[in-house]
Amino acid sequence: EAGVAQSPRYKIIEKRQSVAFWCNPISGHATLYWYQQILGQGPKLLIQFQNNGVVDDSQLPKDRFSAERLKGVDSTLKIQPAKLEDSAVYLCASSVPPGSLAKNIQYFGAGTRLSVL
Amino acid sequence: GNSVTQMEGPVTLSEEAFLTINCTYTATGYPSLFWYVQYPGEGLQLLLKATKADDKGSNKGFEATYRKETTSFHLEKGSVQVSDSAVYFCALTQGGAQKLVFGQGTRLTINP
Repeated sequence: EAGVAQSPRYKIIEKRQSVAFWCNPISGHATLYWYQQILGQGPKLLIQFQNNGVVDDSQLPKDRFSAERLKGVDSTLKIQPAKLEDSAVYLCASSVPPGSLAKNIQYFGAGTRLSVL
Repeated sequence: GNSVTQMEGPVTLSEEAFLTINCTYTATGYPSLFWYVQYPGEGLQLLLKATKADDKGSNKGFEATYRKETTSFHLEKGSVQVSDSAVYFCALTQGGAQKLVFGQGTRLTINP
């Protein structure tokens, strides 16, 4: 079974530039998550999708961050414009729907490391 | 709100030593508890989990017991190997929400 795919693996940009990250979840996983992991900290949820609807985006800085999950499969996370404090690893994860016996097990991609200079 | 506090790192041990990484949590009700591991250059992987009080999760020689009375979920292994070197994260989910709330992580280095 293929895992969660993310690209790019690394990105370096200057502040005020824009950047986009892509995630392809495990096939059949209806729930998709984006987490931000700042160096030395645990991941923090930015947004959670159930199919192509948003379940939780309470910690997403909506003035600069946006995310979409068209057709309930792939997802894109965008930052525009980027700030220095956005330097972090952006992790995508997916899981089966809440009614499943395997609920609450999230499978993570390798992440995209963003450096904002 | 819900939170997880982990033992400060980094932790450095010799091979075959006994490992404990402490984790305590703050949550209302009965959260599910997890340990995730992040090997160098890889994504987070679920190591073990427990969904109710007194449950013991185990995998790859690691164990953790859900202690509601002390709100703890400490990770233990009797004899560590160099290949266990990684960052370990304690986490919880609560109720119907699936979002994971993570601790800050503990970097473990095992020397041969």
